[in-house]
Amino acid sequence: GIQVEQSPPDLILQEGANSTLRCNFSDSVNNLQWFHQNPWGQLINLFYIPSGTKQNGRLSATTVATERYSLLYISSSQTTDSGVYFCAVERAGNQFYFGTGTSLTVIP
Amino acid sequence: NAGVMQNPRHLVRRRGQEARLRCSPMKGHSHVYWYRQLPEEGLKFMVYLQKENIIDESGMPKERFSAEFPKEGPSILRIQQVVRGDSAAYFCASSQFVPGASSYEQYFGPGTRLTVT
Repeated sequence: GIQVEQSPPDLILQEGANSTLRCNFSDSVNNLQWFHQNPWGQLINLFYIPSGTKQNGRLSATTVATERYSLLYISSSQTTDSGVYFCAVERAGNQFYFGTGTSLTVIP
Repeated sequence: NAGVMQNPRHLVRRRGQEARLRCSPMKGHSHVYWYRQLPEEGLKFMVYLQKENIIDESGMPKERFSAEFPKEGPSILRIQQVVRGDSAAYFCASSQFVPGASSYEQYFGPGTRLTVT
């Protein structure tokens, strides 16, 4: 399978700060998605981004497929951003390989 | 992703009982995936199904676990003779077939939290 590494594993931010989360993967992929798992355990789709850059409000993501990494940017963080951020990649049109996540805590 | 429905949301079973988890994909989606999440870990793929077909079950334990996606009705993940190690969150995802696409965006349900006592 594909190895997916996320960094940092844990992150504590003051409200209003910016952050960058990284996802490295070990092989070429057809699909990459970023998810936010909120404190209630629900997985929220953030970005479907096999390559290129996308922005959605305070969040943006960039995937450089040729170099096998993706970055998730969170600007002006809010307490509601707390939770675990997962990167997941897919190669053959079926299963996702998930990273172990970045646990984000935003303090007021 | 709110369109993927899973029930029950919480399930408690005693060791040796059977657990049946249900997943209704988003409207128009014909692909269903099941994942398991152990505490403090990422999600691990279990099985990928299309209507009436199992496409990839490489992540499914060989014994006690089975999955189906019938022509009518939800997808079912069935765990027979549950053991404490089966306690986990089980997530279902669905995607839509797009002709010519090499990948499909997956949308996740809220999960079923199984506790085996």
